[in-house]
Amino acid sequence: AQSVSQHNHHVILSEAASLELGCNYSYGGTVNLFWYVQYPGQHLQLLLKYFSGDPLVKGIKGFEAEFIKSKFSFNLRKPSVQWSDTAEYFCAVNARGSQGNLIFGKGTKLSVKP
Amino acid sequence: GAGVSQSPSNKVTEKGKDVELRCDPISGHTALYWYRQSLGQGLEFLIYFQGNSAPDKSGLPSDRFSAERTGGSVSTLTIQRTQQEDSAVYLCASSLKVGQGGSPLHFGNGTRLTVT
Repeated sequence: AQSVSQHNHHVILSEAASLELGCNYSYGGTVNLFWYVQYPGQHLQLLLKYFSGDPLVKGIKGFEAEFIKSKFSFNLRKPSVQWSDTAEYFCAVNARGSQGNLIFGKGTKLSVKP
Repeated sequence: GAGVSQSPSNKVTEKGKDVELRCDPISGHTALYWYRQSLGQGLEFLIYFQGNSAPDKSGLPSDRFSAERTGGSVSTLTIQRTQQEDSAVYLCASSLKVGQGGSPLHFGNGTRLTVT
């Protein structure tokens, strides 16, 4: 069965600091990988996804993530965070080409101090 | 266009009562998911529907939980004999065909269920 681990429960940063949120998954086959974000009071929305091709994917609002197959990782990064990035971030995976559902990690809450 | 619509937005019920939660997906989306979001637990998969195929019920936590999807569109999640541990936000999401590489999920705003 697939599973997703997010290493940090709560990350607190000051504005302009760099961000990296860890995500590891367990699945032996080919996967699709996603990061979703939930801003306070809003619904979950897609931040970025990896399907195939360039393992470095860029999403909205300056976020990017790198798929490292050998490490089963898909870490989320942003060079300089803003107060408006305060949100909860969820990594998710599903098995490519199967009828498998999308499995989410437990989420990382990011708090950015102005 | 219209997104995923869930109702009610909030539901308070007494322990032991049954509740029904409704989800209206985005038109044309063949896949529909139910998740439960609890504090510190992230998103727990409950069930998903794909077109006319049999639903994947592997995430339902007990036989008190059931869901149906009528006509390939609206879905209802039913919780019978509610317990306090059922208190959570229940999220519905829809997407284009499951298994299609990288089809993102579109989430509703959820139903916050409180069992007293």
